[in-house]
Formats: sequence, structure tokens, C-alpha cells
Amino acid sequence: DVKVTQSSRYLVKRTGEKVFLECVQDMDHENMFWYRQDPGLGLRLIYFSYDVKMKEKGDIPEGYSVSREKKERFSLILESASTNQTSMYLCASSPRLGGYNEQFFGPGTRLTVL
Amino acid sequence: QQPVQSPQAVILREGEDAVINCSSSKALYSVHWYRQKHGEAPVFLMILLKGGEQKGHEKISASFNEKKQQSSLYLTASQLSYSGTYFCGTEGGSNYKLTFGKGTLLTVNP
Repeated sequence: DVKVTQSSRYLVKRTGEKVFLECVQDMDHENMFWYRQDPGLGLRLIYFSYDVKMKEKGDIPEGYSVSREKKERFSLILESASTNQTSMYLCASSPRLGGYNEQFFGPGTRLTVL
Repeated sequence: QQPVQSPQAVILREGEDAVINCSSSKALYSVHWYRQKHGEAPVFLMILLKGGEQKGHEKISASFNEKKQQSSLYLTASQLSYSGTYFCGTEGGSNYKLTFGKGTLLTVNP
């Protein structure tokens, strides 16, 4: 069974803290993605990576950075957490560029910034 | 720009049919459909590619009108297990980046 795991299901942080969200996939996928999901707004892409050490901005990258040092791991970093970053964060991976590149999602991390 | 999904919500009785639409203002390379049950991760349902190819769920069908930049998901003889939020994701070029709509909440009642 394909699997995408995220380091925490729930996380509570204080304003100004540096926050790391980790994602690991065991499917040898080239592409990995970070989304945030807010009620009524759907899934919005923060960053994605199509190869180790490669990254591209998504639709809402402000306030976030990412790191991909190994193919299976993709980290989302909030340099200085703010209350408007309270959200559900979903990681996903997909197997190839273009074509049948269905995305496989992790269970999500619900982050609360106080 | 996010694709527009309609309706925003729909309530069905078991066995009824539903259609969910997804419309984009941009030319599309592919359309993906995902379903998310409450408290769970989104799960892949269908991919429709420019040119007519598709891959997906055996009990759910979909169409893709490339000229109109629209896709529709057809849920026939709905089951209780179909309840959830349905998202379309559109790909504007073969660059693997999806832009998701805001979702359609489908509720199937006994």
C-alpha cells in the first residue's frame, strides 16, 4: 500500500516560533507538494518539489519555505509562525511529470498558532 | 486562479444521481477529481487528460470538455459511502501543478 506520512496530526505553537512540518513518502515519487486547507477555500498549493533540492512556489508561498534533501522527505518550514497560519496542512506526492500523475495525500497536520 | 465548482453542496437520497461541475478560465491539460471524507485525507477518483484519455474509479464517471474548459463528475445510484467533499484539480500545462476548486459537499441520506 502506498503511504504518505506526516510527522504530527496536531500541533500547537506560539506566535513567532519556527515550525517544521515533515512529510515522508515510501513510493519513490519524484513530485511532492504542500497544501493548506481552510474552510470554504479548498486546497491551496504552498510549494512543490519535482526533484531532490528542487522547489517551486505555489499559489500562497509567503511566510513559508521548504526543504527537500532526500527524495522521500519534504519539509515545510514556517520561519516565524503567525496566527493566520493556523490551518490544516496536507502533504502529497505524485509519481511522474504530466500524464497519470494522481496525487497521494498524507493524513494532514492541524496546526494551531496561539 | 481557482476553478469554479458547482453546486457548492448537494443532498441526495440513496440511489439518486448527482452531477458536479468544474469550470476553469484557463486552457487545461488535465482535470483531477478527489473525494475527502470528514477528518480524512483526499483520495484520488479520476484523471481526465486532454485528448480523451482517462483513468479512474469503476463506479464513477466523468467528462472533460477541452474547448469549454469544463469537467463534470457523474455519480449514479449514489451510496451512503459517496458522502464527502469532492474537489476538482486542474492542470494548466504538463507541469504537474494542480489548482483545486473550493469543493462540493455531497451528503447521501438513507
